[in-house]
Amino acid sequence: GAGVSQSPSNKVTEKGKDVELRCDPISGHTALYWYRQSLGQGLEFLIYFQGNSAPDKSGLPSDRFSAERTGGSVSTLTIQRTQQEDSAVYLCASSGDTDTQYFGPGTRLTVL
Amino acid sequence: AQRVTQPEKLLSVFKGAPVELKCNYSYSGSPELFWYVQYSRQRLQLLLRHISRESIKGFTADLNKGETSFHLKKPFAQEEDSAMYYCALINNAGNMLTFGGGTRLMVKP
Repeated sequence: GAGVSQSPSNKVTEKGKDVELRCDPISGHTALYWYRQSLGQGLEFLIYFQGNSAPDKSGLPSDRFSAERTGGSVSTLTIQRTQQEDSAVYLCASSGDTDTQYFGPGTRLTVL
Repeated sequence: AQRVTQPEKLLSVFKGAPVELKCNYSYSGSPELFWYVQYSRQRLQLLLRHISRESIKGFTADLNKGETSFHLKKPFAQEEDSAMYYCALINNAGNMLTFGGGTRLMVKP
């Protein structure tokens, strides 16, 4: 079946602009995760959804970052007033009955 | 707090040589560990997890609680094994993976 998909695959934006990143999890997976992969920090956990609720927002680096999930499926990660240090690959993952997480291809964000 | 350490950023071996990618962890609960692999231009994918006790693509990993290690091993490396390898630990709630910094494995012909 189809894996986790993310869009766009690449996003270039100017400092100060807002961006939205989208994730489509594997059909039927109730849990969804966002991670960030950057040169200096490696792979960092950002946020986790179980259904539509986000019980753990501990990884969001600042209040410029927010995420939502609707219908227990698609999720959007929004970064407001982007900064150059937000440049990274943003990864989405989902999991079903087991806690094995399946990753999407990522969105490469470049903030100029 | 949970932490995963991969001491080698780069490991270079010749084809047919044994390979061991090191992973050490710190976690107060009962650890559940994974190895993920990312081939060039591909997405991050699960290689193996310790509870499965499987051998995938000839790789094995044994959890050593005494040494808090989960090293990945393969007796005879192949060129197609060249990739980034990440060791990861999941928390008891099962909702957050903590990754090590990754090791780039290069298998030379």
